[in-house]
Amino acid sequence: KQEVTQIPAALSVPEGENLVLNCSFTDSAIYNLQWFRQDPGKGLTSLLLIQSSQREQTSGRLNASLDKSSGRSTLYIAASQPGDSATYLCAVLIPGGSQGNLIFGKGTKLSVKP
Amino acid sequence: GAGVSQSPRYKVAKRGQDVALRCDPISGHVSLFWYQQALGQGPEFLTYFQNEAQLDKSGLPSDRFFAERPEGSVSTLKIQRTQQEDSAVYLCASSFGGGDYEQYFGPGTRLTVT
Repeated sequence: KQEVTQIPAALSVPEGENLVLNCSFTDSAIYNLQWFRQDPGKGLTSLLLIQSSQREQTSGRLNASLDKSSGRSTLYIAASQPGDSATYLCAVLIPGGSQGNLIFGKGTKLSVKP
Repeated sequence: GAGVSQSPRYKVAKRGQDVALRCDPISGHVSLFWYQQALGQGPEFLTYFQNEAQLDKSGLPSDRFFAERPEGSVSTLKIQRTQQEDSAVYLCASSFGGGDYEQYFGPGTRLTVT
């Protein structure tokens, strides 16, 4: 059974710092991996989607990498800002069953202090 | 254009009551998904529709949960005889297709069962 783990569960950093969020998954048979952002009381906003054949994706200050063989992904945030404060969720799309079955981690709650 | 919308945003129900949660997907999106997110957890898959066909309901926790999408657009998640353990945020997502198409999430409905 696919399990997704995110470390750390919470992270507090000063503004301007570069940081890395980690995601690991137990079964390398995935279609893709997505990083989402969730603000309190809000839904999920997709940040980056990496197909299983890709190694990384970049969007602005965000860079996500994928190492399928080791079951790991990282989300790198450069020059963090207070507006980056949110919970970041990692999810993998798995084959079999539903075509859209996303398996999520529990998230990393990020706080960026001004 | 409009994103995925859900109503109500908040619902308080007494134990034993029935509730109905609505999801309006992005126009033209074929696939629709429901997820349940308990406090401090990542979302967990409930069910998946392709047009009006419910292709996967393996995540529904009990036979008290029922979902429909009769005309292939709006979907309703119904919970009968609510229990306290049903308290969670219910998220709806839609995508243009199945497989590796990106899912777009609504803001969720926070259900509290007292």
